[in-house]
Amino acid sequence: EAEVAQSPRYKITEKSQAVAFWCDPISGHATLYWYRQILGQGPELLVQFQDESVVDDSQLPKDRFSAERLKGVDSTLKIQPAELGDSAMYLCASSLGDRGTEAFFGQGTRLTVV
Amino acid sequence: GDSVTQMEGPVTLSEEAFLTINCTYTATGYPSLFWYVQYPGEGLQLLLKATKADDKGSNKGFEATYRKETTSFHLEKGSVQVSDSAVYFCALFDTDKLIFGTGTRLQVFP
Repeated sequence: EAEVAQSPRYKITEKSQAVAFWCDPISGHATLYWYRQILGQGPELLVQFQDESVVDDSQLPKDRFSAERLKGVDSTLKIQPAELGDSAMYLCASSLGDRGTEAFFGQGTRLTVV
Repeated sequence: GDSVTQMEGPVTLSEEAFLTINCTYTATGYPSLFWYVQYPGEGLQLLLKATKADDKGSNKGFEATYRKETTSFHLEKGSVQVSDSAVYFCALFDTDKLIFGTGTRLQVFP
């Protein structure tokens, strides 16, 4: 069964360091989402891609976060410099993008900033 | 803007009890509605969905009906099991945005 791949699964980094997460969506899925989920809360959208274009990055802290999906397939989310408050689960999801189709999620990357 | 509101948890039940988790939404258009489930340390998995008014989504004994008149999509299960213990998220997809509620933790005890 096709699934969304994310790596690493866990990441511990010191504050002020750079960190990057990778996501490989399900083949053929044009829409890719990056969500941040703080413990005990729901996922919050950071950035949404349609193919290689950014559709929505209004909630992405652009002074320290960046995201790219250069060939419209896999994607990288970067944080530089990391802050203590960035500790969270980072979830990637993909979908066909049509109204009635669901988003499929990866297992997430648990980031701890110390 | 669009939003989803869920009942606060945790919801604590004994095995075989009836479950209801309330979800209401606000949307400018005609959204598709979803319930996702998240087990500890994992990503979200789709549980069920409904794409138009009066549709009923169902899966693994869970059901939810898209009620346009009350803007609701309540999750129900007739007899919960310990293995149903997880966090449940209600979500909507409107135009091109997928928006989640804050989640409701379900704890089922033997």
